Amino acid sequence: GENVEQHPSTLSVQEGDSAVIKCTYSDSASNYFPWYKQELGKRPQLIIDIRSNVGEKKDQRIAVTLNKTAKHFSLHITETQPEDSAVYFCAAWGGGADGLTFGKGTHLIIQP
Amino acid sequence: DAGVTQSPTHLIKTRGQQVTLRCSPISGHKSVSWYQQVLGQGPQFIFQYYEKEERGRGNFPDRFSARQFPNYSSELNVNALLLGDSALYLCASSLGPSSYNEQFFGPGTRLTVL
Repeated sequence: GENVEQHPSTLSVQEGDSAVIKCTYSDSASNYFPWYKQELGKRPQLIIDIRSNVGEKKDQRIAVTLNKTAKHFSLHITETQPEDSAVYFCAAWGGGADGLTFGKGTHLIIQP
Repeated sequence: DAGVTQSPTHLIKTRGQQVTLRCSPISGHKSVSWYQQVLGQGPQFIFQYYEKEERGRGNFPDRFSARQFPNYSSELNVNALLLGDSALYLCASSLGPSSYNEQFFGPGTRLTVL
């Protein structure tokens, strides 16, 4: 089955700086890669996603890149703000899978 | 426009008991998936249902079962509860069963097994 590795587990950045979270996946048949943001005690919320026929996608301060050859994808957040503090999860789906496989999460801390 | 709803929000059970969790998908969504999120971990896939049929099952024991009703709502049942079943149980709805459909999560049910 699919296996998703996510790094780092904790990331602390100064407000206004950029943050990058990286994930690798094992199943080359996976074709959908969403990123979820989860604030303490709340539901995971989809913030951006990318499909295997696209190399990069951007939405305001958030971007995701995908390298199918290396089987890794990354989340980039620019001009970080205090409200960006949360746990971020990457996930992968496709091939023979019937649901999303998640990474273990990255706790992003924005230092004022 | 209502999102995914789940009930109850919190639940406390003792080992060996049985529990039923409920989920109502977004209007128009026909697929419901269940995930277990243990504290400090990412969600783990349990089941997917589409048009009342089981479309997929994750690596969970037979103590876990689910069903989907004609109105596309769903129930997750867990029998013979173990301490390790303590987790946040998340329901996600989507238009269809494949990876071409975004999944939207409900607020979850926090299950504590004592």
